[in-house]
This record gives sequence, C-alpha cells and structure tokens, in this order.
Amino acid sequence: DVKVTQSSRYLVKRTGEKVFLECVQDMDHENMFWYRQDPGLGLRLIYFSYDVKMKEKGDIPEGYSVSREKKERFSLILESASTNQTSMYLCASSFVPRRRTDTQYFGPGTRLTVL
Amino acid sequence: AQTVTQSQPEMSVQEAETVTLSCTYDTSENNYYLFWYKQPPSRQMILVIRQEAYKQQNATENRFSVNFQKAAKSFSLKISDSQLGDTAMYFCAFMKHGLGTTEYGNKLVFGAGTILRVKS
Repeated sequence: DVKVTQSSRYLVKRTGEKVFLECVQDMDHENMFWYRQDPGLGLRLIYFSYDVKMKEKGDIPEGYSVSREKKERFSLILESASTNQTSMYLCASSFVPRRRTDTQYFGPGTRLTVL
Repeated sequence: AQTVTQSQPEMSVQEAETVTLSCTYDTSENNYYLFWYKQPPSRQMILVIRQEAYKQQNATENRFSVNFQKAAKSFSLKISDSQLGDTAMYFCAFMKHGLGTTEYGNKLVFGAGTILRVKS
C-alpha cells in the first residue's frame, strides 16, 4: 500500500513565525502536491513538484514556498505565517507513467492554526 | 479553467438505503479523468472510484457506482446499501489528461464537497 505521511496532525503557530510542513511518501512517486482544504471551498492546489528540485505554482501559491531536495520528501514553507493561513493542509503523491496521469494518494493532513 | 460544482453541501441517508451525490463540471477538454474521493471524519482521504472520459461504460466499485453523462458534464455517485462507515465528506474531482512528460496535467480540481451522514 502507498503510504503518505505528514510530520504533524495539529500545529499551532504565532503570526510572523516561519512554518515548515513536511510530507514523505514511500512509493517512489514522481509527483507530489500540497493542497489546503477550507470549508465550502474544497481543496485548492498550492504547489506541486514533478521531480526533485522541480516545482510549479498551483492556484494559490501566494505566501507559500516549497522544497523538494529528495524524491520522497516535499516540504511546504510559510515564510511568515498569517492568520488567514489557518487551514487544513493535505499532501498527496502520484506516480506518472509516461503519457498517463494517475491517482493521487493523500496524507492524513495537518491542521494548522495561526494565532 | 476547469470548475467542479457539488450542489449538495450535506445529505443524510438511512442505513441500507441508496443515496446519490451530484457533481457537475465545466471544461473544454475532451480527454480527462473524474474521481470521487472520500474523507472520513479525522481520517485520510481515499479514492472511491475513477472514470476515464473516453470510456462510455460507467465505473463501479462494489457498492459504489457512477452515472457519467459526458454531454451534460455530470458525474454523480451512487452508494447502494449504505453503511455507517460511509459517513464522510465526499469530493468530486477533475483531472485533465496528461499529454506526456512535458505536459504536467496531473492536477486535480476539486468541488466543495458533500457531507454524507448515514443514520442507523
């Protein structure tokens, strides 16, 4: 079974702090994704990465950055946390065979509260 | 840009009965995938079912089936013999078909979700 893990289930930070959310997958997947989930809005893509050190902006990248130094690990960074970044953050990964797209597998989520 | 609409924020069903969750989407693409994901309370999101747009036959997975109407851009999920463990948030999602290693089409567009409660 694919396993996607996230470093914390719950996190409380203060406004202005630098926040790191970590995601690790154990299935040698090329693609990794960061979403935020808000009531009434579903999931929205923040950033994704299709290879080590490669990344692309999603729909709502403002206020976030990412890092992918190793294939199995994808980090989401909030450079200066703000209260409007209080949300549930979900990581996902997928394997992309040549010329196909494939199912995404999700981590358990990190509920971040910024005070 | 693609959009996905789930018009039912909440639904409830009695155990053992059948329920249908609605989803419509808007796209100009011809090749794409559609998904239903399930997120149980405080638990991990998992894939329920997927449908390739080029396949006319509706996908089924045990008690879960879809009614895919490509012309109407509709993709509803039917859950038969509902069980208490089906209580969850259900998300409909769209993915454009990837065209190769230079086309990063592997992005999901989600609807707002439908909370389904199964009552005993």
